[in-house]
Amino acid sequence: AQTVTQSQPEMSVQEAETVTLSCTYDTSENNYYLFWYKQPPSRQMILVIRQEAYKQQNATENRFSVNFQKAAKSFSLKISDSQLGDTAMYFCASRGGAQKLVFGQGTRLTINP
Amino acid sequence: DVKVTQSSRYLVKRTGEKVFLECVQDMDHENMFWYRQDPGLGLRLIYFSYDVKMKEKGDIPEGYSVSREKKERFSLILESASTNQTSMYLCASSLLTGLQTEAFFGQGTRLTVV
Repeated sequence: AQTVTQSQPEMSVQEAETVTLSCTYDTSENNYYLFWYKQPPSRQMILVIRQEAYKQQNATENRFSVNFQKAAKSFSLKISDSQLGDTAMYFCASRGGAQKLVFGQGTRLTINP
Repeated sequence: DVKVTQSSRYLVKRTGEKVFLECVQDMDHENMFWYRQDPGLGLRLIYFSYDVKMKEKGDIPEGYSVSREKKERFSLILESASTNQTSMYLCASSLLTGLQTEAFFGQGTRLTVV
């Protein structure tokens, strides 16, 4: 079974600061992918970044990067130079061989001007 | 431009009614998913389908059924709506090949059962 846990229901930072969102997961799969999705107030879910479990190098997409600690089953998202448009719900998710895409509880991030 | 379309953004139904939530994708994706989103609980998988007429139960299938008669369409059915099914419902689709493939989401249907 796959489970994903996000323990921070809400976070708030000032514009231009760096913020890290936490995620832990559990899976019995040998190969799997991890994802971060963003849901802004418009409700449209958008993929932010993805990481393959077999890759040791952490994924990076512009201001977004992850810290993937496989042994600890941890997958945190770091947002650098945060912008007002980063205000959204952020969901961590995992997908294994059965194609199920399982999400965490979400973290509501607010970027303050 | 890829698109997943859910038939309604807002829906109000009465207890005991049979409710159909429709989802259509135009990307020729094999996988389609139905989730419900509740505050503090995140997205919970109700059902998913990896091919026409195929379906797999997710984590919370009770009180729901699904139908996939055509590749592009995946319907969620509430056989007898109850107030505890008031929620946001999200449909998603993705390619079958490769675990890395991105899931594309519709804009959600906010269902209120009164």
